[in-house]
Amino acid sequence: NAGVTQTPKFRVLKTGQSMTLLCAQDMNHEYMYWYRQDPGMGLRLIHYSVGEGTTAKGEVPDGYNVSRLKKQNFLLGLESAAPSQTSVYFCASREAGGRDEQFFGPGTRLTVL
Amino acid sequence: RKEVEQDPGPFNVPEGATVAFNCTYSNSASQSFFWYRQDCRKEPKLLMSVYSSGNEDGRFTAQLNRASQYISLLIRDSKLSDSATYLCVVNYFGNEKLTFGTGTRLTIIP
Repeated sequence: NAGVTQTPKFRVLKTGQSMTLLCAQDMNHEYMYWYRQDPGMGLRLIHYSVGEGTTAKGEVPDGYNVSRLKKQNFLLGLESAAPSQTSVYFCASREAGGRDEQFFGPGTRLTVL
Repeated sequence: RKEVEQDPGPFNVPEGATVAFNCTYSNSASQSFFWYRQDCRKEPKLLMSVYSSGNEDGRFTAQLNRASQYISLLIRDSKLSDSATYLCVVNYFGNEKLTFGTGTRLTIIP
């Protein structure tokens, strides 16, 4: 049982390049989330999904797109990376309902030059 | 007003001391409460849930005060390994998104 995994762990991009971050969970969770974390800002929700084929915007969605084609996977895309997107990105998942624990992946450290 | 507010710290506490920090929340409909721990450059992990009657897990005690809308975390006999950032998290039934505080940074000094 691997829990929540993220690939890649590190990445350096040039401004304008694109990339996709992959999140996978093997706990059969309905809900999945993408956050970014910057110093002094705490976790900020980018996009989330409440089930296969559904996505919704979070607090800071601009510049990102997501897809949830399979229940276990949640992809975060950057179409044209900007230096402001330099951050640590965490994926998380949890069961449907309001009381359950949310499990996080180990994070992806992205630098945009 | 932020939905969840925490004192960012840092709290610098000598080893063996007791430390406590609070977290206030603004949504009176909040029903579930958690403390998460985040080590430097790592992902957040659940430390403990917070129950209405208060609960204890070893050296850690969590309390909920619904009237004043805050939760607290008390750490007794602090260890060097307790150094981390502690995130307050709240939710209400049926909500799809947990609300995270920005965290309180704790450093235990030898």
